[in-house]
Amino acid sequence: DSGVTQTPKHLITATGQRVTLRCSPRSGDLSVYWYQQSLDQGLQFLIQYYNGEERAKGNILERFSAQQFPDLHSELNLSSLELGDSALYFCASSVGTSGGYSTDTQYFGPGTRLTVL
Amino acid sequence: GENVEQHPSTLSVQEGDSAVIKCTYSDSASNYFPWYKQELGKRPQLIIDIRSNVGEKKDQRIAVTLNKTAKHFSLHITETQPEDSAVYFCAAFFDYKLSFGAGTTVTVRA
Repeated sequence: DSGVTQTPKHLITATGQRVTLRCSPRSGDLSVYWYQQSLDQGLQFLIQYYNGEERAKGNILERFSAQQFPDLHSELNLSSLELGDSALYFCASSVGTSGGYSTDTQYFGPGTRLTVL
Repeated sequence: GENVEQHPSTLSVQEGDSAVIKCTYSDSASNYFPWYKQELGKRPQLIIDIRSNVGEKKDQRIAVTLNKTAKHFSLHITETQPEDSAVYFCAAFFDYKLSFGAGTTVTVRA
């Protein structure tokens, strides 16, 4: 157990819908990262937050957005869902030294499996 | 952005033999290279990492080597055991992002 929690474990929804994935980082970690894992794309970095502020952005679609709240939990919002959005979504957290601009070890949560029908 | 290539995509080894996975990266400014192990249906777990100021790092049966000039790094698993069967991912850190290789499925045959 990494100490990172994600809810829900599974999510099944229809195309065009909107969903919210939730992540709670390890106690004391200030940085949160979101990744998408699909069969054809592998593990893709989406976005990082540090203490409530966006720190780095990957290939995140405009239909996707995220935020980190004052209690440091984070939510990833996926809207106008398409079949191709079906994937495992992982959250990871790290200590966040140097204001989140560092190579701290990232600890992954158990993931949320999203199925879009 | 950073591009990480990983080979081979699948690897089958006899229990007790060694396994080697190789990765190359494109941006010479990358400075941190972790390796993650992912069992089926589970989360990626860090098994070892190396930073750009070090050429080799070892932790029991696992070792990683880094060649900055050639821009490649490798994972070595010695005396493989059935519990080493999993998907292994290399990654490179550049521009505040981790870019992952496509993964290597390792199967250890008893």
